Amino acid sequence: DIQMTQSPSFLSASVGARVTITCRASQSVSRHLNWYQQKPGKGPTLLIFGASSLQTGVPTRFSASGSGTEFTLTVSSLQPEDFATYYCQQSSSAPFTFGPGTKVDIK
Amino acid sequence: QVQLVESGGGVVQPGRSLRLSCVASGFTFSNFDMHWVRQTPGKGLEWVAAVSYHGLDKNYADSVAGRFIISRDNSKNAVYLQMSSLRAEDTAVYYCARDSRPRYDWDSLASWGQGTLVTVSS
Repeated sequence: DIQMTQSPSFLSASVGARVTITCRASQSVSRHLNWYQQKPGKGPTLLIFGASSLQTGVPTRFSASGSGTEFTLTVSSLQPEDFATYYCQQSSSAPFTFGPGTKVDIK
Repeated sequence: QVQLVESGGGVVQPGRSLRLSCVASGFTFSNFDMHWVRQTPGKGLEWVAAVSYHGLDKNYADSVAGRFIISRDNSKNAVYLQMSSLRAEDTAVYYCARDSRPRYDWDSLASWGQGTLVTVSS
């Protein structure tokens, strides 16, 4: 099975800050890497698919890159509605594992 | 618009069984792979199982393989998760989710239901 890790597990940032989250896979997933946002009490929403493609309706302050085993999600200017938990997930091979999540909190 | 509505959650004793259902609307259900993902309260997401659009291919997390069965009925726009030999660690909110692209390889999860809570406790 492919194991996913994320760093940091928690980050505190101010509105307007640029933040970057890293996701690593235990073996290559090519570009089959997706990013989700989850707010408290809600289901996850898809932000990025295919490592770098922005899902329809997602603000362009979100961007992502990477391939193989190392990926990043960047928020260029954090907005109040971006404070949430972010998960990466590989869709390369079953089981389609998620990372443990990165909680982004208000500083 | 895409809607996924889960049902069937509740409190169940360890070792017993439970069947979750997810009814879909707003899209051509028979064209999309479907997944179940769970989340223990206060914890992260765990992918559980997936079924291909035609129902022929199924995959499971190691933690549920041999105990859970995913199935679908395209005539009813529904996907199911039959859970057996339930354990305390199966306690979670269970989400139904739809693949992003029709008749595509296993993909990102573009649409999610609101979740149904399963509590395994004596």
